[in-house]
Amino acid sequence: EIVMTQSPATLSVSPGERATLSCRASQSVKNNLAWYQQKPGQAPRLLIYGVSTRATGIPARFSGSGSGTEFTLTISSLQSEDFAVYYCQQSNNWPPMYTFGQGTKLEIK
Amino acid sequence: QVQLVQSGSEVKKPGSSVKVACKASGGTFSGYTLVWVRQAPGQGLEWLGGVTPVFGSPNYAQKFQGRVSITTDESTTTTYMELSSLTSEDTAVYYCAKAVWGAFNLWGQGTMLTVSS
Repeated sequence: EIVMTQSPATLSVSPGERATLSCRASQSVKNNLAWYQQKPGQAPRLLIYGVSTRATGIPARFSGSGSGTEFTLTISSLQSEDFAVYYCQQSNNWPPMYTFGQGTKLEIK
Repeated sequence: QVQLVQSGSEVKKPGSSVKVACKASGGTFSGYTLVWVRQAPGQGLEWLGGVTPVFGSPNYAQKFQGRVSITTDESTTTTYMELSSLTSEDTAVYYCAKAVWGAFNLWGQGTMLTVSS
């Protein structure tokens, strides 16, 4: 099973600043990497899939990068609504199997 | 627009089973993968398994093999997740979600399962 490790566990950033979240896979996941945002009491929301493709309606301040085993989610200028928990998730091709990272909590500094 | 609507909260006793429903409405049902993900209180996300209705056979996370069963009823566009031999550690919110390009782009509202004696 591929293990996904996110860092840091908690990230404190001021509004308007840039946030950089990391995700590492225990083995190559090629480009099968997605990011989600989750707010309390809500289902997760897909932000990024295929490493760097923004999902429908996701603002351009969210960007994803990386390859193989190292991936990054960058939020270029934090808005108040961006403070939440973020998860990375990998998939393999067939049969479809998925694993999540443990999450990074993005909090207001 | 496709929506995923889940059945309501459940309270079960240890050792029993639960069956949660996820109905897809407003669009086509077959041809994409439906998955189940759970989240224990204050914890992260955990994939249990999934099914692509057009192909039929579900697949499960190794951790839940033998204890989880995912079935579909195409006539009602409903997917079911049944989890057996429940313990308090199965207390969680259970989500169904639609997978496209390896990511989950549509989620149900969640079903809270409480396992308690």
